[in-house]
Amino acid sequence: DQQVKQNSPSLSVQEGRISILNCDYTNSMFDYFLWYKKYPAEGPTFLISISSIKDKNEDGRFTVFLNKSAKHLSLHIVPSQPGDSAVYFCAASYNAGNMLTFGGGTRLMVKP
Amino acid sequence: DTGVSQNPRHKITKRGQNVTFRCDPISEHNRLYWYRQTLGQGPEFLTYFQNEAQLEKSRLLSDRFSAERPKGSFSTLEIQRTEQGDSAMYLCASSSDGRGKAFFGQGTRLTVV
Repeated sequence: DQQVKQNSPSLSVQEGRISILNCDYTNSMFDYFLWYKKYPAEGPTFLISISSIKDKNEDGRFTVFLNKSAKHLSLHIVPSQPGDSAVYFCAASYNAGNMLTFGGGTRLMVKP
Repeated sequence: DTGVSQNPRHKITKRGQNVTFRCDPISEHNRLYWYRQTLGQGPEFLTYFQNEAQLEKSRLLSDRFSAERPKGSFSTLEIQRTEQGDSAMYLCASSSDGRGKAFFGQGTRLTVV
């Protein structure tokens, strides 16, 4: 049973445009959500997070939106840059727990 | 470089052999995690240490797997009697923040032949 799902395995966008990566979850106990970015041959790198008491968190070009009623979160990257090309994972945890449940990832390709 | 360090980076072993991986976390981090990632999937949680205490273990962690973190510093993950299904990337992460903002190492890629 996949509790965190990223239904788009890949996404291609033009440099300068917006990238929107989506993530759905089923466990209503999750109260903290994170996005990680992974380049080939490297470990995942933390990007941005959001607590369930918020619906938006912004950090530079990256914004995460949380819709608790829909159990959906999204990551917006504006403007997209070729260096953003990577695999993006969403992850969730609950009760200040230390276990992260990851989605399957979305490969983002930003074309110059 | 003061990031999370994992050794070896790659390991090829024959089925039935034992293997051990090492993780050196960021020095001031008291939390350490092991995850496993197979091709096309996200990382799956295996186990978590706070200092030297192993506080959580996934049901994925069969009795062939054992992890230690003596003295709350580096950690080792041992797999006994390896099977082909153990082939994966084993990722170690550390944090000082219990909310999951963890720093990952580059991983150890295990291939069981």
